[in-house]
Amino acid sequence: ETGVTQTPRHLVMGMTNKKSLKCEQHLGHNAMYWYKQSAKKPLELMFVYNFKEQTENNSVPSRFSPECPNSSHLFLHLHTLQPEDSALYLCASSHAGGPGELFFGEGSRLTVL
Amino acid sequence: AQTVTQSQPEMSVQEAETVTLSCTYDTSESDYYLFWYKQPPSRQMILVIRQEAYKQQNATENRFSVNFQKAAKSFSLKISDSQLGDAAMYFCAYRLNYGGATNKLIFGTGTLLAVQP
Repeated sequence: ETGVTQTPRHLVMGMTNKKSLKCEQHLGHNAMYWYKQSAKKPLELMFVYNFKEQTENNSVPSRFSPECPNSSHLFLHLHTLQPEDSALYLCASSHAGGPGELFFGEGSRLTVL
Repeated sequence: AQTVTQSQPEMSVQEAETVTLSCTYDTSESDYYLFWYKQPPSRQMILVIRQEAYKQQNATENRFSVNFQKAAKSFSLKISDSQLGDAAMYFCAYRLNYGGATNKLIFGTGTLLAVQP
């Protein structure tokens, strides 16, 4: 495995379900990110973790709950979502500091019914 | 607050021709990075090119080059000798170089580039 891997690639859930998105990076990075990508909108930064510590929460509703057990793994726990939460959720990682190149996963396409 | 604007939602280019994608940004800072990312239909976004604001020389990576106009806050991407594999969504992004531990990128809305054979 190389790079940034996200699972599942596709997820359909009802508004009352609880599900989780998983991200794993094999690049030795120490910062990880969740972005939300919706059509015709800029990518929205949701959360940033640096050395397992959350350093940014961009006013994300509490129905999204991140977890970063170590520098290689990042989760996004989902519960009681709304249809407008349907989007592509992208995970990324990087070295902290420096030029700041982000390495992205392929994303998890979430559909909330 | 910093913002990034891509005014071209869609562009089209003939194979082997040259195309330029536009990006403008707004910031009051003087030290920052600018990026162009490419997101092919498979969706994994990859870095195309990076520019440090303190460097006057425009960055170049093979067929990709930028025209960085700091005073005008403009950062366009030129793709020369376009290939079918260049078809993708292209995102312009900005990052403040504040020496912080994480790299918070601000993205534009993207330009969808089609390459015609």
